[in-house]
Amino acid sequence: EVQLWQSGGGLVQPGGSLRLSCTASGFTFSDYAMTWVRQAPGKGLEWVSCISGSSISTYFADSVKGRFTISRDNSKNTVYLQMSSLRVEDTAVYYCAKGSENDYWGQGTLVTVSS
Amino acid sequence: DIQMTQSPSTLSASVGDRVSITCRASQSINSWLAWYQQKPGKVPKLLIYKASKLESGVPSRFSGSGSGTEFTLTISSLQPDDFATYYCQQYNSYSYTFGQGTRLEIK
Repeated sequence: EVQLWQSGGGLVQPGGSLRLSCTASGFTFSDYAMTWVRQAPGKGLEWVSCISGSSISTYFADSVKGRFTISRDNSKNTVYLQMSSLRVEDTAVYYCAKGSENDYWGQGTLVTVSS
Repeated sequence: DIQMTQSPSTLSASVGDRVSITCRASQSINSWLAWYQQKPGKVPKLLIYKASKLESGVPSRFSGSGSGTEFTLTISSLQPDDFATYYCQQYNSYSYTFGQGTRLEIK
């Protein structure tokens, strides 16, 4: 059974940093790209970032480019989203998802950026 | 970036109705389109991938069609469990983008 378990998140001040983690099980982790998607309160889904299975390629939405980094440790079946220079508008539930088609999702973790 | 536009934004319908939601891309995305269902406070669920392929476990009343720039999600006979918000997403080219969502509500 495929499972994605997220950790991290919480309250952070504007300009601060936070790291989200997503640990996978039930599939060959290194064979799949991994994606982060976020959803601001009461808003729609926003694609944030993606990393290839080998970590060779990473991609970011313009809204987070230069502030967020994505990485993965295939030995730990874990993908990370390092968020820096956080803004109030980064407040959202963040989801990790498997592959480009996002066929499995983590449970989501709330990131609140507020002073 | 490719822009995805869904219509309508809100759709009111009754149990048993046949409904369709349209998603238009600002440029061709071939068939690299997915549809998701999300209920309040829940994780999005993949329904359709590659424009028309039904994800395993998804009821056959859901279907997807289209290619290029215009796509449609159809629910053949609405069930009470189907009232939710639906999103399309292109994964043809980065940044992958979602439509703004269509809220399907009970009439």
